[in-house]
Amino acid sequence: ELKVEQNPLFLSMQEGKNYTIYCNYSTTSDRLYWYRQDPGKSLESLFVLLSNGAVKQEGRLMASLDTKARLSTLHITAAVHDLSATYFCAIHGGSQGNLIFGKGTKLSVKP
Amino acid sequence: DTGVSQDPRHKITKRGQNVTFRCDPISEHNRLYWYRQTLGQGPEFLTYFQNEAQLEKSRLLSDRFSAERPKGSFSTLEIQRTEQGDSAMYLCASSFLLPAYEQYFGPGTRLTVT
Repeated sequence: ELKVEQNPLFLSMQEGKNYTIYCNYSTTSDRLYWYRQDPGKSLESLFVLLSNGAVKQEGRLMASLDTKARLSTLHITAAVHDLSATYFCAIHGGSQGNLIFGKGTKLSVKP
Repeated sequence: DTGVSQDPRHKITKRGQNVTFRCDPISEHNRLYWYRQTLGQGPEFLTYFQNEAQLEKSRLLSDRFSAERPKGSFSTLEIQRTEQGDSAMYLCASSFLLPAYEQYFGPGTRLTVT
């Protein structure tokens, strides 16, 4: 069974602090996606990681992919309140392209 | 706005009623996906279309669910005889032809079955 596991599931941070969200997956995948979801809203694409060793950065967020370890990380630098949201990682579930999502990491950044 | 659109955004219905949702994908996209998301969970795949052909259905898609994509443009998802367990956010996504292309999500339809 294909599984995507994220940890932690809940993360309460203080502004200005750094932290990392982890995403492990159970099958080989040469690409991985990170999405952001605000409460009651749809999913916003953050990063598409296309190969082993890929690293992408946007503002205070940096994502990386290690396909050999089946691990992706989303690193948050100097968190600000606007980053409060739920973050999902996802891989393709099969040849048809449907995405398999983790349960999400709910991030709360407090002043 | 050329993104994925969904209608309605919210639907409240009584148990046993039928409901239909619509999704308009990005116009150049051949593939269209339906997902369901319940509170505190990630989206779960329901079904997908390549052009007008429905090529895969998840086991989550019971016989009460049916989806169509006439002429390979917009898609509809119908739920017959709704149950309280059907309450969820129904998300539509579209992408280019190859399965590995990024999927773009619509705003979702929030269904509440009372």
